[in-house]
Amino acid sequence: KQEVTQIPAALSVPEGENLVLNCSFTDSAIYNLQWFRQDPGKGLTSLLLIQSSQREQTSGRLNASLDKSSGRSTLYIAASQPGDSATYLCAVTGAAGNKLTFGGGTRVLVKP
Amino acid sequence: DGGITQSPKYLFRKEGQNVTLSCEQNLNHDAMYWYRQDPGQGLRLIYYSQIVNDFQKGDIAEGYSVSREKKESFPLTVTSAQKNPTAFYLCASSGGGTGELFFGEGSRLTVL
Repeated sequence: KQEVTQIPAALSVPEGENLVLNCSFTDSAIYNLQWFRQDPGKGLTSLLLIQSSQREQTSGRLNASLDKSSGRSTLYIAASQPGDSATYLCAVTGAAGNKLTFGGGTRVLVKP
Repeated sequence: DGGITQSPKYLFRKEGQNVTLSCEQNLNHDAMYWYRQDPGQGLRLIYYSQIVNDFQKGDIAEGYSVSREKKESFPLTVTSAQKNPTAFYLCASSGGGTGELFFGEGSRLTVL
């Protein structure tokens, strides 16, 4: 059974610092990995999707890497801003492509 | 605007009552999902449907029921058999071959 872990559970950084968020998974037979952002009381917003054949994806200040062999993905957010404060979740889709397994999320606070 | 609409946003239920949460999408996605989110826990899959008139149980289906009579709609009924229904419920859909998942804004159910 796939297990997805995100450590740390919470992170606080000063504005301008780069953010590094970690996601690890136990089964390397994945279809894709997706990073989401969730604001309090809201749904999830898709940030980046990495297919199993890809090593990384970039969107603006966001960059996500994927290392299937070690079961890890990292989300980098450059030059953090207070508006980046949210919970970030990663989710892995199994090789069959029909079910996602979510990590518990990392709650980020960027202090002005 | 294309997206996923969940209603109601907030719902209160007395013990012993069934309630139905609505989920509608206009993204022309084949697959739809229902997740439950509890404080301090990751998202857990309740039911999913990959095609009209077909659906599968997720990890925590007991006490819930769904239907998929139309491609755009995937309502979730929380029955009186669900022992701890107070939670935040999220509907999602995916399609287009990438497997990218898109979420609605969620419905918060409180049992009085």
